[in-house]
Amino acid sequence: GAVVSQHPSRVICKSGTSVKIECRSLDFQATTMFWYRQFPKQSLMLMATSNEGSKATYEQGVEKDKFLINHASLTLSTLTVTSAHPEDSSFYICSARDLDRSDQPQHFGDGTRLSIL
Amino acid sequence: SQKIEQNSEALNIQEGKTATLTCNYTNYSPAYLQWYRQDPGRGPVFLLLIRENEKEKRKERLKVTFDTTLKQSLFHITASQPADSATYLCALSGGSYIPTFGRGTSLIVHP
Repeated sequence: GAVVSQHPSRVICKSGTSVKIECRSLDFQATTMFWYRQFPKQSLMLMATSNEGSKATYEQGVEKDKFLINHASLTLSTLTVTSAHPEDSSFYICSARDLDRSDQPQHFGDGTRLSIL
Repeated sequence: SQKIEQNSEALNIQEGKTATLTCNYTNYSPAYLQWYRQDPGRGPVFLLLIRENEKEKRKERLKVTFDTTLKQSLFHITASQPADSATYLCALSGGSYIPTFGRGTSLIVHP
């Protein structure tokens, strides 16, 4: 089945550091990838839709200068949390949709636990 | 505004019984409804998708119903096992296939 790999799985760093998270579709191509944020016992909140070769579409209330998204190829999207602060600590999850099967649901990575000290 | 409601209280059942989880929604006319399983510290895993014109779908021990009049979906796991213990997320989407997720319901199956 379709596999999405997300790296790193966990990051602990000091306030002010920028952190890059990678999301790769391993056995399919994805023109669109999605970035979510999840707080404990809360639902997944869509942050942005990452489009290959074009600018990402951000949801209302998500700062595009804070959360930089790059989707340089059909198999890779990156999310960079710039100058991270403790309030950015959360569980970040990416997902991707199979290019050739648009009637299928998304495939998720295993998430990145970000802890800012 | 669109709202998806899943029971926030954990569902505790005995092994071998059927688990039934509920997803209710308001102010939404979804084309698709999906159920995902999420284990602690992991990303969601897709289980089943049901379309608005389908009333029921099955996959092995799983069954999903979709009642667009009641605006409700029921998710059943028959012959439940301790390994079925997880959080189950309901997600609704329109034609864009970008789902909106509920908070999920935790299922605990006791041996």
